[in-house]
Amino acid sequence: AQSVTQLDSQVPVFEEAPVELRCNYSSSVSVYLFWYVQYPNQGLQLLLKYLSGSTLVKGINGFEAEFNKSQTSFHLRKPSVHISDTAEYFCAVSDTGDYKLSFGAGTTVTVRA
Amino acid sequence: DAGVIQSPRHEVTEMGQEVTLRCKPISGHNSLFWYRQTMMRGLELLIYFNNNVPIDDSGMPEDRFSAKMPNASFSTLKIQPSEPRDSAVYFCASNIQGLGIQYFGAGTRLSVL
Repeated sequence: AQSVTQLDSQVPVFEEAPVELRCNYSSSVSVYLFWYVQYPNQGLQLLLKYLSGSTLVKGINGFEAEFNKSQTSFHLRKPSVHISDTAEYFCAVSDTGDYKLSFGAGTTVTVRA
Repeated sequence: DAGVIQSPRHEVTEMGQEVTLRCKPISGHNSLFWYRQTMMRGLELLIYFNNNVPIDDSGMPEDRFSAKMPNASFSTLKIQPSEPRDSAVYFCASNIQGLGIQYFGAGTRLSVL
């Protein structure tokens, strides 16, 4: 199974500023990549996914992520955050053809006015 | 689509009591996952069902935990007897054939006193 590292546990950011959340995984075999968001006291909601094709993936709420196979990374970005983006963000990876989804430890994003 | 439905949303019980968590997967999905989320260990896969059959229960912590899927639209996770260290948020997720995107329920927050 994959090992997933989210390099930042907490990211404070001001409203309308850009944010980048970093995610690296352990193996360069063929993978599926996901970012999930968890708002306080809620379940996990899919933000975006990479299954194949273009390495730049766009998701909901203005988020995007770029798959870099050589660096085994899948960093999440948003050019301008809102207060409502305050949440915990999880990177998840599975080998294609494998049901096991490995999650990172999560990054808590706190957006301040 | 109603999404994955979990009940109860919150459960408070005393040590030694039996606890049953319930999950209804998305209609048409034939794979179901139970996860546990804690601050210390993050998101851990407890058990994976495909076509109502347990395929991987290697994440079930001990014999006090059991899970069943009697039909395609219902699964239970039972803890008997419960212990304070079982306090966590338990998530159910479902998808098709175990691959790709997993759709999560809102979770059950369990507190064992």
